[in-house]
Amino acid sequence: GQQLNQSPQSMFIQEGEDVSMNCTSSSIFNTWLWYKQDPGEGPVLLIALYKAGELTSNGRLTAQFGITRKDSFLNISASIPSDVGIYFCADAGGTSYGKLTFGQGTILTVHP
Amino acid sequence: NAGVTQTPKFQVLKTGQSMTLQCAQDMNHNSMYWYRQDPGMGLRLIYYSASEGTTDKGEVPNGYNVSRLNKREFSLRLESAAPSQTSVYFCASSEWGKGYTFGSGTRLTVV
Repeated sequence: GQQLNQSPQSMFIQEGEDVSMNCTSSSIFNTWLWYKQDPGEGPVLLIALYKAGELTSNGRLTAQFGITRKDSFLNISASIPSDVGIYFCADAGGTSYGKLTFGQGTILTVHP
Repeated sequence: NAGVTQTPKFQVLKTGQSMTLQCAQDMNHNSMYWYRQDPGMGLRLIYYSASEGTTDKGEVPNGYNVSRLNKREFSLRLESAAPSQTSVYFCASSEWGKGYTFGSGTRLTVV
């Protein structure tokens, strides 16, 4: 099956810094989804991307669907303590509601 | 707005014991899912139900069974728990055009 490789595995940053993480796949994707998981909670959708080259923002978050359709990145600008959590990329086979395949996750720690 | 409700939140089992994890959603979604989350591995799909009356295996179904009791409820059963099933289990539901909603998880330890 398809595999998602997410990097880095973890990040320790100071409040106010920008963050960048990415995800690559072994096959072409039709969707890229980015989720955040707060401690003790389930994942929550941040951004959904459906078209190669698409660049989408959600507040301080920006994500892009790579031109090759095999990668995506997520940027967080001016990080704040509540950005702490695990960030996952995921694929849903072309929709935002089907079976999801997740990357391994990036654990983000923000020091005040 | 309850969304997806999972019970229990925590459970400790002895090897060989059985238990059922309960999940209910109040959003009238057609599709429901069970995932497990292990450190460094993201979430992996155990079973899913595309609509009421249907269930299918996901990536890691061995050792589990599911029941789609009605449109609202989707339960996960461990017939004979093993230490390898120690994990955090998430139920989710989805609907076309409405995206995915996850529950807050059940933390299961098998000793």
